[in-house]
Amino acid sequence: QLQLQESGPGLVKPSETLSLTCTVSGGSISSSSYYWGWIRQPPGKGLEWIGSIYYSGSTYYNPSLKSRVTISVDTSKNQFSLKLSSVTAADTAVYYCASQTVRRDGYDHWGQGTLVTVSS
Amino acid sequence: DIQLTQSPSFLSASVGDRVTITCRASQGISSYLAWYQQKPGKAPKLLIYAASTLQSGVPSRFSGSGSGTEFTLTISSLQPEDFATYYCQQDRSFGQGTKLEIK
Repeated sequence: QLQLQESGPGLVKPSETLSLTCTVSGGSISSSSYYWGWIRQPPGKGLEWIGSIYYSGSTYYNPSLKSRVTISVDTSKNQFSLKLSSVTAADTAVYYCASQTVRRDGYDHWGQGTLVTVSS
Repeated sequence: DIQLTQSPSFLSASVGDRVTITCRASQGISSYLAWYQQKPGKAPKLLIYAASTLQSGVPSRFSGSGSGTEFTLTISSLQPEDFATYYCQQDRSFGQGTKLEIK
């Protein structure tokens, strides 16, 4: 059973880079069976897909965030990461990491989420 | 990009009721649609994928149907634990959510 856990700073200053890591247990980040994704949810609002990565390194990003987003994998630590640059208050949200089984739609395993606040 | 529109945005119902939530896609998406349940302070939980396939462990009172541009999530007999917000998702897009409240 996959388990995912987000980690990173809970407070980021405007114009700086938000950096989060998702640690995967119960399975290998190098598995060809999963896509690894990031989704966020501003307080009181709906879900927004940020992007995803496959073990091969192929990445897929939300066009509205693409210029500011980088998702990468660290196989030695069984982790994948999110970097979002030039943040503003609009980037304040709960950030979730999640996994999607290949050839199925839907994210079937999720981290608990971490609140990131953008404020000076 | 594909847009997903859910209706209604808010739904008030009673325990034992049958409820249906609709998700409409801006273009045909075959059967590539998932449904989630989210409770306050918790991560979303996958209920249904491929429009109608029940995720393992999800009660059979949940069902999904549809293809192309119109999809539905039905709860056959509401239980107290079903009051939550529901989202549809296709690939990189989520619907705006439907909040199901107790009448």
